[in-house]
Amino acid sequence: GAVVSQHPSWVICKSGTSVKIECRSLDFQATTMFWYRQFPKQSLMLMATSNEGSKATYEQGVEKDKFLINHASLTLSTLTVTSAHPEDSSFYICSAEQASGKGDTQYFGPGTRLTVL
Amino acid sequence: GQNIDQPTEMTATEGAIVQINCTYQTSGFNGLFWYQQHAGEAPTFLSYNVLDGLEEKGRFSSFLSRSKGYSYLLLKELQMKDSASYLCAARNDYKLSFGAGTTVTVRA
Repeated sequence: GAVVSQHPSWVICKSGTSVKIECRSLDFQATTMFWYRQFPKQSLMLMATSNEGSKATYEQGVEKDKFLINHASLTLSTLTVTSAHPEDSSFYICSAEQASGKGDTQYFGPGTRLTVL
Repeated sequence: GQNIDQPTEMTATEGAIVQINCTYQTSGFNGLFWYQQHAGEAPTFLSYNVLDGLEEKGRFSSFLSRSKGYSYLLLKELQMKDSASYLCAARNDYKLSFGAGTTVTVRA
């Protein structure tokens, strides 16, 4: 149980184009999903919190117009990197929160490696 | 803000025990998580503590002391496949704040 998928697993794009990344919870419903970014040999940095049916909450320093988040259903959230530039190249990881008797636990997708040329 | 500290690297021998310490300072604390991350992959959930004490799950155990802002992850009977980065994460309200990770190298 608690499986989260992410698509695509990797993408290479030209500077100035937009890239959409999908995050799905496969066997549970997640009212809250999270988007993280991880640079090489660094830890995960939270970009935004996505709640089904409402606007995402962005962390300080993350441009909401550049990183568009849509959480249209209880099993799907998407992150669109608009007008991507080389400095946006990173490992993007989503997580979906599953409620349990001991507290809510985040389960992570396999990640999407974005390379912007 | 949140401050999560854990050692950068640890090395141990196959079959041995390793303890990874984590200290945290966070407002509104409501849980401590440990994740394992292999290079180039996403983190996988290992354990969760919200009350003081030890949680044991097979070869892995996790301990929490809320009054000291301290946790540790104990890995027993180390195997080569345990070579990975181990991330400590403290939750405040609904968000997780991650430490930089401890890279554990298991040697034969």
